[in-house]
Amino acid sequence: DQQVKQNSPSLSVQEGRISILNCDYTNSMFDYFLWYKKYPAEGPTFLISISSIKDKNEDGRFTVFLNKSAKHLSLHIVPSQPGDSAVYFCAASSSISSGSARQLTFGSGTQLTVLP
Amino acid sequence: DAGVTQSPTHLIKTRGQQVTLRCSPKSGHDTVSWYQQALGQGPQFIFQYYEEEERQRGNFPDRFSGHQFPNYSSELNVNALLLGDSALYLCASSLLAGGSRDTQYFGPGTRLTVL
Repeated sequence: DQQVKQNSPSLSVQEGRISILNCDYTNSMFDYFLWYKKYPAEGPTFLISISSIKDKNEDGRFTVFLNKSAKHLSLHIVPSQPGDSAVYFCAASSSISSGSARQLTFGSGTQLTVLP
Repeated sequence: DAGVTQSPTHLIKTRGQQVTLRCSPKSGHDTVSWYQQALGQGPQFIFQYYEEEERQRGNFPDRFSGHQFPNYSSELNVNALLLGDSALYLCASSLLAGGSRDTQYFGPGTRLTVL
């Protein structure tokens, strides 16, 4: 049972345009969400996160939107650049007892290709 | 400031063998989590170590075990290797009391191939 889903395996966007990557989740206990970017032969790199008490978080060209009622989040990249071409993973976590850090549940990823 | 490092980069083993993977966390971090990423999938949580104890565990069999050392570095051991254990193994470190919702920083991974 996939608790975090990224239904689009791939996305192609023209340079300078907006990239929108989507993610759905099923576990109502998730209260913290993250996006990671992964290049081949490298580990995932943290991009941006959002707490469930917010509906939007912005960091430069990257904005994450959270719709709790729909259990949906999206990552917007504006403007898109060829260097943004990578696999993007959505991840989620829930509050746990003290003495433990959160474990992340990942989606299967979306390959973003930004065309020059 | 050194990030998360993992060794070895690549490893080839045969079925039934045992393997040990190593991870050094980012400077200042005290918690290490291990993930398995199969081809075409997202990383799956294996377990997490803090204060040299396993704190959380994902849905992985007992063949997967680990250890954390006093310097916060960690090892992942897999016994009786199966073909299905072939994957990229990722280590992530975080600071338990970091106040930033424990953002995890990943190493480059160890690519394990089981023949």
